[in-house]
Amino acid sequence: QSALTQPASVSGSPGQSITISCTGTSSDVGRYNYVSWYQQHPGKAPKVMIFDVNNRPSGVSNRFSGSKSGNTASLTISGLQAEDEADYYCSSFASSNTLVFGTGTKVTVL
Amino acid sequence: EVRLVESGGGLVKPGGSLRLSCVASGFTFRNFNINWVRQAPGKGLEWVSGISTISSYKYFADSVKGRFTISRDDAKNTVFLQLNNLRAEDTALYYCARVGVWSAYSFDDWGRGTLVTVSS
Repeated sequence: QSALTQPASVSGSPGQSITISCTGTSSDVGRYNYVSWYQQHPGKAPKVMIFDVNNRPSGVSNRFSGSKSGNTASLTISGLQAEDEADYYCSSFASSNTLVFGTGTKVTVL
Repeated sequence: EVRLVESGGGLVKPGGSLRLSCVASGFTFRNFNINWVRQAPGKGLEWVSGISTISSYKYFADSVKGRFTISRDDAKNTVFLQLNNLRAEDTALYYCARVGVWSAYSFDDWGRGTLVTVSS
């Protein structure tokens, strides 16, 4: 149950698009279409932004989108806004009915 | 409105025990799997455990297997996480989280967490 690998930080200017990668293995990301993405502001509980690879919960901006190729999932934030500055975590269902989170990515809006 | 409220955290010595509770409201509790996720100070999220409806299935991360147990009381809309043989590395904010309406593998609703500190 090793954590999924994410870049430690990603930054972009307002209005730009950024992409966060989430690399796992053939036992988690590569095997199941159950990747989720969470946004966490300081001192707050996480909030789900994407579920099952590319589905947005009701109320989440369509500026957030998800995809997957092989063992790597990605979250793209388009039209970057100041309020998007936060930590982002991916998660994936894994073998043995467990779940694994990514290492987390700090998004900075320049 | 979905609400999850954790309690039971505190300061405990290595080797000690705690029982965390998560009281839910605002939805039909018995119909949803509930999970526990923890976050060590300044660190990332770590999935800890999950329990399915009617307690059919219980799952644990390798890091806590054999030391933590999970249970639920549908009559009280409550999930419990029993933490035994605690270690310093178990120090974290423990969140309970409800799976989503559309996916059993994402967590749509979270509590505010209860802090567990393991220190001598």
